[in-house]
Amino acid sequence: EAEVAQSPRYKITEKSQAVAFWCDPISGHATLYWYRQILGQGPELLVQFQDESVVDDSQLPKDRFSAERLKGVDSTLKIQPAELGDSAMYLCASSLGTGPYNEQFFGPGTRLTVL
Amino acid sequence: AQSVSQHNHHVILSEAASLELGCNYSYGGTVNLFWYVQYPGQHLQLLLKYFSGDPLVKGIKGFEAEFIKSKFSFNLRKPSVQWSDTAEYFCAVNGGNAGNMLTFGGGTRLMVKP
Repeated sequence: EAEVAQSPRYKITEKSQAVAFWCDPISGHATLYWYRQILGQGPELLVQFQDESVVDDSQLPKDRFSAERLKGVDSTLKIQPAELGDSAMYLCASSLGTGPYNEQFFGPGTRLTVL
Repeated sequence: AQSVSQHNHHVILSEAASLELGCNYSYGGTVNLFWYVQYPGQHLQLLLKYFSGDPLVKGIKGFEAEFIKSKFSFNLRKPSVQWSDTAEYFCAVNGGNAGNMLTFGGGTRLMVKP
């Protein structure tokens, strides 16, 4: 069964350092999402791509976060510099398209701890 | 803007007990509703969804949910829980101006005692 792949699964970093997370969506899925899930809360959307284009990044803290999906397949989410409040699970999801009936499939996530 | 609230943060049940997890959303337009489950150490996966039609929807593993439009609710139910249902459950909504962007509730952590 096809799955969304993410790496690394765990990342520990010190504040002010740069971190990057990678996501490989299910083959053929044009839409890719990055979510942040703070402990004890539900996931919150950070950015959504349709192919290589950003559809929505209104919740992405652009002063320190960046996301790219250069070839419209895999994607990287970067934080520079990391802050203590960035400690969270970062989830990637993908779907066939952007319509509201398209099921989103989630990856295992990257758990980030900022010290 | 859409918002989703889940009333119970933690629920503890014994095996064979009945389950009902509350979910309310705030949005007046047409919405699609979802329940996701996250088993320990696993990724989020879809449990069931409602788009239109019969407001009682059945999902995997014996779960069902009822959409009550007048109450803006989409509660999750299971008549008899098993130890393997121990997980975190998230209600989510999309639709309207938000398109397919999912808005999640805060989650309910269910523990089933054997």
